[in-house]
Amino acid sequence: AQKITQTQPGMFVQEKEAVTLDCTYDTSDPSYGLFWYKQPSSGEMIFLIYQGSYDQQNATEGRYSLNFQKARKSANLVISASQLGDSAMYFCAMRTNFGNEKLTFGTGTRLTIIP
Amino acid sequence: DAGVIQSPRHEVTEMGQEVTLRCKPISGHNSLFWYRQTMMRGLELLIYFNNNVPIDDSGMPEDRFSAKMPNASFSTLKIQPSEPRDSAVYFCASSGGTEETQYFGPGTRLLVL
Repeated sequence: AQKITQTQPGMFVQEKEAVTLDCTYDTSDPSYGLFWYKQPSSGEMIFLIYQGSYDQQNATEGRYSLNFQKARKSANLVISASQLGDSAMYFCAMRTNFGNEKLTFGTGTRLTIIP
Repeated sequence: DAGVIQSPRHEVTEMGQEVTLRCKPISGHNSLFWYRQTMMRGLELLIYFNNNVPIDDSGMPEDRFSAKMPNASFSTLKIQPSEPRDSAVYFCASSGGTEETQYFGPGTRLLVL
């Protein structure tokens, strides 16, 4: 069984600062994918970034990067130069690559950017 | 390109009534997922289809819930009869298949009185 742990229920960050959202995972499967989604107050789930377990480099998408440490089973999301529009819930999720495509989600972190 | 389309966006109904949620996946995607989000349980998978065939329905709460995918461009999630504890946001998502990213629809916010 897969498990995702997000230990930060809420974070407050000053605008323009970088922020790191923590995510640890547990799986016995050797091949898996890790995802981050953003859920603003409007409610939609927005895909941000993906990291494959065999990817040699950390994933980056604009201001988002994923700090993937396989030995520690962590996949932290780093947002550089935070903006007011980054205020939202952020969910880490995992999917194994053997058969079942379902995503297992963490409990989320509520990020608030302070002007 | 249109994203995943869900309807209705909001639904308020009374206990005991039938509720039908609808989803149109992204064109060309062959996997479709139904998730439910509640404060108590977070985001959890209810069921997913691949090439219109249900693959994993282990998350479907009970016989009151049923899902169908009659063709590649349409799926329904039905609750009959509905109960107050079914109140939640129901998301539909689709992907191009194994190892592909899932893209979510806007969700249906269901309130059962």
